[in-house]
Amino acid sequence: AQKITQTQPGMFVQEKEAVTLDCTYDTSDPSYGLFWYKQPSSGEMIFLIYQGSYDQQNATEGRYSLNFQKARKSANLVISASQLGDSAMYFCAMREDRNSGGYQKVTFGIGTKLQVIP
Amino acid sequence: GAGVSQSPSNKVTEKGKDVELRCDPISGHTALYWYRQSLGQGLEFLIYFQGNSAPDKSGLPSDRFSAERTGGSVSTLTIQRTQQEDSAVYLCASSSGGTGKNIQYFGAGTRLSVL
Repeated sequence: AQKITQTQPGMFVQEKEAVTLDCTYDTSDPSYGLFWYKQPSSGEMIFLIYQGSYDQQNATEGRYSLNFQKARKSANLVISASQLGDSAMYFCAMREDRNSGGYQKVTFGIGTKLQVIP
Repeated sequence: GAGVSQSPSNKVTEKGKDVELRCDPISGHTALYWYRQSLGQGLEFLIYFQGNSAPDKSGLPSDRFSAERTGGSVSTLTIQRTQQEDSAVYLCASSSGGTGKNIQYFGAGTRLSVL
């Protein structure tokens, strides 16, 4: 089974509107972290937001918020008031905190390409 | 340094040649990761270093790929006898390690083209 599933290969959103990018994950580890990264056409990976599995509240960072539904194993990214500069690839990732020797592999999804329309 | 530094930014080589890619992580970060990203694809995990522990090499695609991390800091990814399918962007990331956020910060990558 895929560890991280991003089912939207491409999304369009009107400038100033909100958009939700979907991410579901699969783990049996009780302790894990979820991340979203942005990759513009320039290629660098930019960290956006983090949610820990034990965090009680949904994470927020400026215009980014993470809709964390633990029972459904989903961690959707919500971008409010979209801007043209938000056009990029967006990757969801998960870190599983296994107990053996501090091994912390991070698995990335295949990404969603977001295009913001003026 | 302020961020993760990778060199070279671009590398063009001929099939069969060896290449070395360098990553200088954020100072103090104990964890270092190498990923490969083919055109239009997601990130493929290659190798992970954590402190002085044995590295996790489970993602290396073949024995032509190897990596080392000297003194717990700079890392070098070596690809021997390069093939055209090795053409990709190679990304390095570092993190503070341990539990908690442990955010990975990425370098700008090395774009490898094998002719």
